[in-house]
Amino acid sequence: GENVEQHPSTLSVQEGDSAVIKCTYSDSASNYFPWYKQELGKRPQLIIDIRSNVGEKKDQRIAVTLNKTAKHFSLHITETQPEDSAVYFCAASIAGGADGLTFGKGTHLIIQP
Amino acid sequence: KAGVTQTPRYLIKTRGQQVTLSCSPISGHRSVSWYQQTPGQGLQFLFEYFSETQRNKGNFPGRFSGRQFSNSRSEMNVSTLELGDSALYLCASGAGSTDTQYFGPGTRLTVL
Repeated sequence: GENVEQHPSTLSVQEGDSAVIKCTYSDSASNYFPWYKQELGKRPQLIIDIRSNVGEKKDQRIAVTLNKTAKHFSLHITETQPEDSAVYFCAASIAGGADGLTFGKGTHLIIQP
Repeated sequence: KAGVTQTPRYLIKTRGQQVTLSCSPISGHRSVSWYQQTPGQGLQFLFEYFSETQRNKGNFPGRFSGRQFSNSRSEMNVSTLELGDSALYLCASGAGSTDTQYFGPGTRLTVL
């Protein structure tokens, strides 16, 4: 089955700086890659997703890049703000498949004031 | 549209008991997936239901089961509870074809 590795497990950045979280996946058939943000005690919230026919996708301060050849994808957050502090999860799945999302272990992003 | 709802939000049970958790998806969504979240194992896929049929199941013992009703609401059942079943159980709903999944607030299960 699919295996998703996520790094780093903890990331501390100064407010206003950029943050990058990286994930690799093992199953070349995976073609859907969402990112979720989970604040303490709250549900995971979808913040951005990308499909394998696209190499990059942006939404304001958030961007995701995908390298299918290398089987890795990354989340980029620019101009970080205190409210960006949370745990971020990457995931992979096969669109139309029934194996559900396979998640990385999560990255605890800390924004230092 | 209203979001995904789950009931109850908190449960305390003792070993050997059984528990049933409920999930109501976003209106119009026919897919409901269940996940277990623990500090050690992270988010793990339990199973997915689409139009009342279980499409697949993750690597969990048979004590974990579920079902989906004609209105797309889903229930998850865990029998013969073990201490290791203590976790946050999350359900997620999707439209089915797009695979975008939206999570509910979860049910926090504590097994004593």
